[in-house]
Amino acid sequence: AQSVTQLGSHVSVSEGALVLLRCNYSSSVPPYLFWYVQYPNQGLQLLLKYTSAATLVKGINGFEAEFKKSETSFHLTKPSAHMSDAAEYFCAVSDGDKLIFGTGTRLQVFP
Amino acid sequence: SAVISQKPSRDICQRGTSLTIQCQVDSQVTMMFWYRQQPGQSLTLIATANQGSEATYESGFVIDKFPISRPNLTFSTLTVSNMSPEDSSIYLCSVELSSSGANVLTFGAGSRLTVL
Repeated sequence: AQSVTQLGSHVSVSEGALVLLRCNYSSSVPPYLFWYVQYPNQGLQLLLKYTSAATLVKGINGFEAEFKKSETSFHLTKPSAHMSDAAEYFCAVSDGDKLIFGTGTRLQVFP
Repeated sequence: SAVISQKPSRDICQRGTSLTIQCQVDSQVTMMFWYRQQPGQSLTLIATANQGSEATYESGFVIDKFPISRPNLTFSTLTVSNMSPEDSSIYLCSVELSSSGANVLTFGAGSRLTVL
C-alpha cells in the first residue's frame, strides 16, 4: 500500500525565510504525489501535484516541490515565507482512485 | 473548478443521536469521497460513493455507522449514526474532477461536528 510520511508536525519560520516542509513516500509503483494546504476553518486546497512529468513542480502562492526518486522524497519549499502562509500542509499519494494523506505539518510564520 | 457545498458547516449533537451531512456539487462527478479529520489529525478516508451502487467503505468503517446515499451525480449524504464523543470530527466531502487531472481532489469546506 502507498503511504507518505511527513517529518515534523510543526515548523516555525520568520517572515522572509525559506520554508521547507518534508515528505517521503512509499510506493510500489511510480506515484502521483500532491501537496494540499488547509487554512484555519477551511477545506483543503490543492497546492501542486506531481504526475510523472517534470520533477520540479511549481504550484500556487510561490510554492514548489521536487520529486526525487533516489530519496523517495517530495519536499515542499518556498523561498520567502509570508505571514499568510501560516496553515496546515498535507502531503498525499494516490492509491488507485484514493488519496492517502500524511499526518500534516503546521507552519507558523513569525514577523 | 467545481464548487462543493456542505451542510451543516458545524453542529453540536447529543450522544446517541444521528446527523446527516449533505454534499452538493455544481457539476456531475462520478466519484465522491467522504473523509474524516479528527482533532489534530490527518484525513482518513471513510468511503467512496458512486452513483447507482453501494458505497465502498475503508477498513474500520461500516455502513451501519456511516450510511451513505448517492442518489445522483451531483449529490451525496453521509450519516453519522448513534454518535459518541469519539465521532467529534470534521467530515469532508471531496470529488475528483477529470478536468483537474489524475486523482486531484477538490474538497468542500467540511462539517465540524461536536458530540457531547
